[in-house]
Amino acid sequence: DTEVTQTPKHLVMGMTNKKSLKCEQHMGHRAMYWYKQKAKKPPELMFVYSYEKLSINESVPSRFSPECPNSSLLNLHLHALQPEDSALYLCASSQVFGNQPQHFGDGTRLSIL
Amino acid sequence: AQSVTQLDSQVPVFEEAPVELRCNYSSSVSVYLFWYVQYPNQGLQLLLKYLSGSTLVKGINGFEAEFNKSQTSFHLRKPSVHISDTAEYFCAVSGAHNTDKLIFGTGTRLQVFP
Repeated sequence: DTEVTQTPKHLVMGMTNKKSLKCEQHMGHRAMYWYKQKAKKPPELMFVYSYEKLSINESVPSRFSPECPNSSLLNLHLHALQPEDSALYLCASSQVFGNQPQHFGDGTRLSIL
Repeated sequence: AQSVTQLDSQVPVFEEAPVELRCNYSSSVSVYLFWYVQYPNQGLQLLLKYLSGSTLVKGINGFEAEFNKSQTSFHLRKPSVHISDTAEYFCAVSGAHNTDKLIFGTGTRLQVFP
């Protein structure tokens, strides 16, 4: 069983919809991450939160908006996505940011119509 | 900056045979190294890690890896594979600084045949 829980597992949305992806961990980790993974590719880092503050934004388009309400929760708000945004979105956490093993959730499979 | 290379995109092997998945890294500073496995429709699971100490690292599911600083390698090995080991394997590197990101290799698809 994964210790990082992501919901929903699957999401289909139109280009004009607004939706949110959720991620939760109860390991006491203070760093949380969003990755995007296309088929047969490695994960690509999108955002890093460290102690609930945004530390890294890898030049992600503004149609993706992260939020960290508390140390256990991480959200990714989606709006006006494009078909090329269809991918597996992975959340991860680690004790602190940097040089630590990251624990991944099973991801949300997102399809944009 | 760090980088990691997985030369083999696919490795086919028969069940119960040994396997080695190759990983080479590049860095001007000390590094931490990781192997992750991704089964179909799942996230990444940590197999093993090298942070310091013994260069031979044992992980879950019977896998092990050896850190070789002179050859800048961190190859993953298993003496006898099972059908259930069929998955995508990612090598990853991070610098030793506490703001260093995890850099993934392109992955190796291990296909185990009966």
